[in-house]
Amino acid sequence: GAVVSQHPSRVICKSGTSVKIECRSLDFQATTMFWYRQFPKQSLMLMATSNEGSKATYEQGVEKDKFLINHASLTLSTLTVTSAHPEDSSFYICSARVEGTKNIQYFGAGTRLSVL
Amino acid sequence: RKEVEQDPGPFNVPEGATVAFNCTYSNSASQSFFWYRQDCRKEPKLLMSVYSSGNEDGRFTAQLNRASQYISLLIRDSKLSDSATYLCVVQGGSGNTGKLIFGQGTTLQVKP
Repeated sequence: GAVVSQHPSRVICKSGTSVKIECRSLDFQATTMFWYRQFPKQSLMLMATSNEGSKATYEQGVEKDKFLINHASLTLSTLTVTSAHPEDSSFYICSARVEGTKNIQYFGAGTRLSVL
Repeated sequence: RKEVEQDPGPFNVPEGATVAFNCTYSNSASQSFFWYRQDCRKEPKLLMSVYSSGNEDGRFTAQLNRASQYISLLIRDSKLSDSATYLCVVQGGSGNTGKLIFGQGTTLQVKP
């Protein structure tokens, strides 16, 4: 399958700092990438859809000013958690859709964020 | 009501057993259906797409019943390496831009 690289895999930071997570499609171009969050023992919840060259579409209840998304190229989307707080601690996963494959998404390895 | 519902389990089965997981979805306009596998603290990985005609991949068989809005996954001859959480995933809405909706996942533990 297609390869999606996500970095970093683990972040531990102090409350109030900002954290940037990168998601790259390595062997294909992705006009659309997705950002999910997963709390322990819960399902993945879509946070936002990242569109290359335009503004991201955020799901209801997700603060766009807190979770900044930039999709500047066909292979890179970034998620910045601004002024992180302990309640933002979670597993953040990106995915990219391979066009023409009936909406199959391939996932990055995820970023485990711990805010102290 | 959740958009995609699964029994969280865990399902504890011996090696070699056959185990079946079920999933129901609420949006009748859903277009695409998948089973993903997620290992502990890892990202989900696509196991298989699900079609109305049913599809099989080795020991894994998936079925979709659109009338009942029901999806199943059957695993035959379970291996220890099958231990994981299995996520039922439905493409919400219509068209090819619909987002994916994930079930909570069903945990399988295969014991020697």
